Amino acid sequence: QVQLQESGPGLVKPSETLSLTCNVSGGSISSSNYFWGWIRQPPGKGLEWIGNVFYTGNTYYNPSLKSRVTISIDTSKNQFSLRLSFVTAADTAVYYCARRKYGSSWRDYWGQGTLVTVSS
Amino acid sequence: QSALTQPASVSGSPGQSITISCTGTSSDVGGDNYVSWYQQHPGKAPKLMIFDVSNRPSGVSNRFSGSKSGNTASLTISGLQADDEADYYCNSHTSGGTWVFGGGTKLTVL
Repeated sequence: QVQLQESGPGLVKPSETLSLTCNVSGGSISSSNYFWGWIRQPPGKGLEWIGNVFYTGNTYYNPSLKSRVTISIDTSKNQFSLRLSFVTAADTAVYYCARRKYGSSWRDYWGQGTLVTVSS
Repeated sequence: QSALTQPASVSGSPGQSITISCTGTSSDVGGDNYVSWYQQHPGKAPKLMIFDVSNRPSGVSNRFSGSKSGNTASLTISGLQADDEADYYCNSHTSGGTWVFGGGTKLTVL
């Protein structure tokens, strides 16, 4: 059974960088069958796709966040990471990591989500 | 990219059927068949209900079905049950290789 688990600081100061890691267990992150991605949800609001990474390191980002986002993958640790720079209160959200099957919209496994609050 | 358009809320009585629409453009919903639907209960992670327009993952009730016509995708839930009360989100691939969600629809079972 594949499991994803987000980890990282729950509080980040404005203008600083948000950093989260998603640890994958029960399956290899090096598989060519899947993309690994981040999705967020501000309190009381809808889902927003942040971006994806493939095991090769290839990435795709939401155009509205592209200038501030970096998603990377560490196959040796079976984990992938999100960095979002110059955060503001608008970046306060529950951040989810998820797996999506290559060549499909099948996004089957999600982490439980982690709340990140941007505040001084 | 703009969020896909979903109704803010829909409602139905137990046993009835409801349909939630998801309208985009030819650059997303209408561009290919990579449309999925997620159910989200309060405080929980989203759960995949439909993928690639009309496919159900193993374990999802056949009361859930998906379809698409032009730039609009739809999720139909038949035989409404109390546990179906949740938020529902559509998600589509875009021509730019990115993904976009709908604004979400709150389903109330009366």
